[in-house]
Amino acid sequence: EDKVVQSPLSLVVHEGDTVTLNCSYEVTNFRSLLWYKQEKKAPTFLFMLTSSGIEKKSGRLSSILDKKELFSILNITATQTGDSAVYLCAAVLSGGYQKVTFGIGTKLQVIP
Amino acid sequence: NAGVTQTPKFRVLKTGQSMTLLCAQDMNHEYMYWYRQDPGMGLRLIHYSVGEGTTAKGEVPDGYNVSRLKKQNFLLGLESAAPSQTSVYFCASRGLAGGVYEQYFGPGTRLTVT
Repeated sequence: EDKVVQSPLSLVVHEGDTVTLNCSYEVTNFRSLLWYKQEKKAPTFLFMLTSSGIEKKSGRLSSILDKKELFSILNITATQTGDSAVYLCAAVLSGGYQKVTFGIGTKLQVIP
Repeated sequence: NAGVTQTPKFRVLKTGQSMTLLCAQDMNHEYMYWYRQDPGMGLRLIHYSVGEGTTAKGEVPDGYNVSRLKKQNFLLGLESAAPSQTSVYFCASRGLAGGVYEQYFGPGTRLTVT
């Protein structure tokens, strides 16, 4: 059974802190890994990672994939209250309709 | 350009009632998806469509039917609602050339079945 496990499930930090969110996966025919941010409503796309060891960066957010150890991390530096959200990790499988298996998310709360 | 819209936003049903959720996209996307999101379960694919007139089953299709009569619309039907179908339902779409990561999600429909 394909599965994606995220940790921690929830996290409370103060503004300015740096956080690391973890995502491990066990899937067949892995193609790529996705990170989304979900604030109350629809998930919005953050990163897609396909190759090991290549960091993707967008402002204060960055992410990296380790295909040997089957995990990814999402880092957020200098956190702001606007970073408060649920962060979803998902594994995309090859073939067919490119099945996407989602983790249950990490709920991040940034307090002033 | 509204993107992906869903109606209704909220609904309460009694067990055994039926309803249809509507998803509409104005981006001329080929692919459309219906997901449900439950606490502790993550997003799970119910049904999807790769083009007008075509539909296919996802991971959790039981109890749901779909139709894609027009390219811009993807309907999700519950013929006889059950409490287990209480969930938040998200529709998503993407273009033919886009990767699956380029899914655009709608704002969701919160459904409660009592």
